[in-house]
Amino acid sequence: SYVLTQPASVSVGPGQTATITCGADNIGSTSVHWYQQRPGQALVLVLHDDTVRPSGIPERFSGSNSGNTATLTISRAEAGDEADYYCHVWDSRSNLVVFGGGTTLTVL
Amino acid sequence: EVHLVESGGAVVQPGGSLSLSCATSGFTFDSHAMHWVRQAPGKGLEWVSLISWDGTSSYYADSVKGRFTISRDNSKASLFLQMKSLRTEDTAFYYCAKEVGGSGTQPLDFWGRGTLVTVSS
Repeated sequence: SYVLTQPASVSVGPGQTATITCGADNIGSTSVHWYQQRPGQALVLVLHDDTVRPSGIPERFSGSNSGNTATLTISRAEAGDEADYYCHVWDSRSNLVVFGGGTTLTVL
Repeated sequence: EVHLVESGGAVVQPGGSLSLSCATSGFTFDSHAMHWVRQAPGKGLEWVSLISWDGTSSYYADSVKGRFTISRDNSKASLFLQMKSLRTEDTAFYYCAKEVGGSGTQPLDFWGRGTLVTVSS
C-alpha cells in the first residue's frame, strides 16, 4: 500500500517559517492536499492540488510537490497556526485514499 | 453555510454492530462524493470509506472491508455507515467529510466534528 511519511513534530518560533513534509515514492506525480486540525475543532482544508489555497486561507500557507516530497510551508508562523497537519492523496493504483501520519506544529 | 453533523456513536461490545449517520445541509448533496474518516483517540487520521455522488461506487480501507457498508440517501442529504463485527481497534472518532468532486479522488473541503465509537467489553 502507498505510505505517506510525515515528521511527527515541527517547532518554529513566532514569525519564522515552518516546513512540513510529506514523503512517498514519486508523490510528485499525484496531487497532494493538506488539512489542519486544531484541538476540538473540525478539520480544515488549507491547501489542495499541491499549491491551491481555499478561500479564507491566509497567503502565508503555500505548498510544493516534486519528486518524492510534497511540502506545506507556513510563513510568518503565528500561535494560531499550532495544530496537527495531515497530507492526503488518492492512490490510483489501489483506488484508496491515503493520509499521512500527521505532524504537530508548535510555535514557541 | 455547509454543515455536516454525525450521530450514532456509542459504546458497543466486540463483535457488535452500530450504524452511524451524517446529516448535511448547505450544499447540493447529490453532486458530491462523501467520505468517512476515523481517528483513534490521540492518533492520526485513517480513511475508512467513500461513496460516489450517485451511490453507484464505493471503496473501503482494507481494515474495514467486508465489515463496514457505506450508503447515502440523496433525497435526505444524508450519509450512513453500517458497522458490524466491531473490534476494539475500531474505537475512534468517526468523521464524515464532503468531497469537492463527485468521484472520490478529490480533496475534502468540509468535515463534521465527529461521533465517538467505543468498542469495549
